[in-house]
Amino acid sequence: SQQGEEDPQALSIQEGENATMNCSYKTSINNLQWYRQNSGRGLVHLILIRSNEREKHSGRLRVTLDTSKKSSSLLITASRAADTASYFCALINDYKLSFGAGTTVTVRA
Amino acid sequence: KAGVTQTPRYLIKTRGQQVTLSCSPISGHRSVSWYQQTPGQGLQFLFEYFSETQRNKGNFPGRFSGRQFSNSRSEMNVSTLELGDSALYLCASSLEWSTEQYFGPGTRLTVT
Repeated sequence: SQQGEEDPQALSIQEGENATMNCSYKTSINNLQWYRQNSGRGLVHLILIRSNEREKHSGRLRVTLDTSKKSSSLLITASRAADTASYFCALINDYKLSFGAGTTVTVRA
Repeated sequence: KAGVTQTPRYLIKTRGQQVTLSCSPISGHRSVSWYQQTPGQGLQFLFEYFSETQRNKGNFPGRFSGRQFSNSRSEMNVSTLELGDSALYLCASSLEWSTEQYFGPGTRLTVT
């Protein structure tokens, strides 16, 4: 089944810096979602972007979607220690979310 | 509004036993999905229910089953447990499957 592939697998940044991660996929989508998971807990929904949208913002988060390149990016600006987590993109089809392996982000104080 | 709750939070079982996990969705949410998360396989979709009907099932053996009740609460059952079933089992609810999903804290199952 289709799922997104996140890149990079891991990212380490200094507090205050920006973090960018990418998600690539292979088939057409209706929408794409980004989730965050802190250390083995439940996932938290961050942003849903529809196929007819190119960019979406939520607080310090910015998500872009390029359907021609079949890719999406998540930008976290002015990172904080609390942003340390794993970030997943999720594709939707046939009543299910398909998750990639995720990007692990570590924000150093 | 209360979030998604899952019980129990932690569980230790031995091989061959069976287990039932419970999920209470956010009030008003009729879609409930289950996922298995392991270090090796990542997040894998198990099944999705809407109004007591299973609409999709992931690629798991028949030992994994689920159901949804009329109040949208859901249970999943794993019979004849294997060591490889050790995982974090996550439940998520949503208004409809295509919208954002709200996850519970998960049930950590350890099979010894």
